[in-house]
Amino acid sequence: DTGVSQNPRHKITKRGQNVTFRCDPISEHNRLYWYRQTLGQGPEFLTYFQNEAQLEKSRLLSDRFSAERPKGSFSTLEIQRTEQGDSAMYLCASSPTTGALSYTFGSGTRLTVV
Amino acid sequence: DQQVKQNSPSLSVQEGRISILNCDYTNSMFDYFLWYKKYPAEGPTFLISISSIKDKNEDGRFTVFLNKSAKHLSLHIVPSQPGDSAVYFCAASGYDYKLSFGAGTTVTVRA
Repeated sequence: DTGVSQNPRHKITKRGQNVTFRCDPISEHNRLYWYRQTLGQGPEFLTYFQNEAQLEKSRLLSDRFSAERPKGSFSTLEIQRTEQGDSAMYLCASSPTTGALSYTFGSGTRLTVV
Repeated sequence: DQQVKQNSPSLSVQEGRISILNCDYTNSMFDYFLWYKKYPAEGPTFLISISSIKDKNEDGRFTVFLNKSAKHLSLHIVPSQPGDSAVYFCAASGYDYKLSFGAGTTVTVRA
């Protein structure tokens, strides 16, 4: 197992464009989380999935953000009509249902909106 | 609303000496606390954790202390090594397994 994989590693986009990120969790992990980290801050919770069900969304996740996890495997995070304030590191993590606090984070996708 | 706070943005320590990182939290519903270590261009890596029913947990050179009455925890690294230079995040969780992170402390270990 190669851990949690995120693609792309870096994304530069123009304001107003849509972007999509992908996360491949550790295969036997039921839970998948998305966090966002801005400069000088710790990661902030965005949303999480238990298998294919999206169980919670943070109020940080505006209507322009949508996340999916079809078939409970990989997940995608889409941001529509990007704004400069969306520039951040987007981190994905997965964990098993038991010992759910044993998160494994991916290396993140760094988004820059110009 | 910052529920987990790390008030020291940076710490510089000489190799071989003790590093002490501090963390305060406000939410009394948190029952599990963790420390993560992060190198540039990598995701956070789990380091050590402690349940609210304990006041100390040790793993090799790393020890976490929890003072529930003060809503304070600390991470001790003894002895500090150059490879310990990284950003350290304190995190806390309640029943829902979501993590609330502090802003991080950048540790620099001087040779």
